[in-house]
Amino acid sequence: DTAVSQTPKYLVTQMGNDKSIKCEQNLGHDTMYWYKQDSKKFLKIMFSYNNKELIINETVPNRFSPKSPDKAHLNLHINSLELGDSAVYFCASSQESKGGRGSYGYTFGSGTRLTVV
Amino acid sequence: DQQVKQNSPSLSVQEGRISILNCDYTNSMFDYFLWYKKYPAEGPTFLISISSIKDKNEDGRFTVFLNKSAKHLSLHIVPSQPGDSAVYFCAASGEGSNSGYALNFGKGTSLLVTP
Repeated sequence: DTAVSQTPKYLVTQMGNDKSIKCEQNLGHDTMYWYKQDSKKFLKIMFSYNNKELIINETVPNRFSPKSPDKAHLNLHINSLELGDSAVYFCASSQESKGGRGSYGYTFGSGTRLTVV
Repeated sequence: DQQVKQNSPSLSVQEGRISILNCDYTNSMFDYFLWYKKYPAEGPTFLISISSIKDKNEDGRFTVFLNKSAKHLSLHIVPSQPGDSAVYFCAASGEGSNSGYALNFGKGTSLLVTP
């Protein structure tokens, strides 16, 4: 009965391919996020959606496109994968767009390890 | 531009002793701070938070201290237990920061508690 679930957990693919990572939360949260943890272990915000509306779009190559069909889902599609895209991608959700202030912050998924070869 | 810094990549402490993890931030707009704990192959889980209107928040064995003038916070774990061995991330958010209210994370400190 996972609160924030990501699929797949591991993804190995060749350069140039297009791939998607799916995320679903069953917490009833309004806001969802994608974070990237690179080889230096730095967790960096990529996107944030509040009730299906994009509210944060950091400097990310436009090969990355988030899609939120409803507030419980936030998928990440990546076109023309490059070696530098190899990282662990974390999906998260929070009660409201203000970072979950006064509550428990974010609830994270277990991550998707993407390896581009 | 890293706004949240955890300068100690690792820390080793004996069971029963105090673990002190440190975090510094550069953005004066940050006003809400959190600590997350992460085990291998899992996502970070929330541990404890503190608002800038406080200088201390305690929850069981975990206490977070905030020194706004120094832009520094620390997490104290007393007594440390082997199950506390994990990577600890400091995070901060605030209106007017780079990404609105999105959490900005440090690189993490790997804590090892030895029996």
